[in-house]
Amino acid sequence: QLQLQESGPGLVKPSETLSLTCTVSGDSIRSSSYYWGWIRQPPGKGLEWIGSIHYSGSSYYNPSLKSRLTISIDTSKSQFSLKLSSVTAADTAVYYCARVGYSPIVKDMDVWGQGTTVTVSS
Amino acid sequence: QSALTQPRSVSGSPGQSVTISCTGTSSDVGGYDFVSWYQQHPGKAPKLMIYDVNKRPSGVPDRFSGSKSGNTASLTISGLQAEDEADYYCCSYAGSYTFIVFGGGTKLTVL
Repeated sequence: QLQLQESGPGLVKPSETLSLTCTVSGDSIRSSSYYWGWIRQPPGKGLEWIGSIHYSGSSYYNPSLKSRLTISIDTSKSQFSLKLSSVTAADTAVYYCARVGYSPIVKDMDVWGQGTTVTVSS
Repeated sequence: QSALTQPRSVSGSPGQSVTISCTGTSSDVGGYDFVSWYQQHPGKAPKLMIYDVNKRPSGVPDRFSGSKSGNTASLTISGLQAEDEADYYCCSYAGSYTFIVFGGGTKLTVL
């Protein structure tokens, strides 16, 4: 059974870089049929798509975050990662990783991690 | 402000049916048959309930159905049960620049 687990610091200082990793288990990260993505949810607010990456390295980013965002993948470790630079309090959120359906565009997210809370504060 | 517009809240009694709307534009909901719906209970991760407008993943009860007309997608839940009380989010592919957009979410209360 496919499982995703987010990990990383729960507290990041303003202007620094937020770094999270998602570990995939129970299935191969090297599937041509799926991308792997990040979604976040600020406290009390709705969901926001951050970006997605394929094991081949192909990636799609939310244009509003693109200038600060890097998503990478390490197939040898079955992990993909998120780096968001120059963070502010507005980046405080629960960050989820998920498997993203692809046919042949990124669309739905069918398996989710439990989420990890990241707070931006000095 | 979210790209897709949903009502902030809906409610219904056990056994009744409710419909949640999701209004976008011809650049997202109206332009592609890639609308999905997610259920989220408090403190939990979202769960995929509907994909490709009207398809149900394995394990999702057939009480949940999806449809689309023009720029508006809808999620209908029939035979409401107490456990259906949750937040529901719609999502759509939005083209090769924006990619994926979500609605602001709808809180479903089972009276």
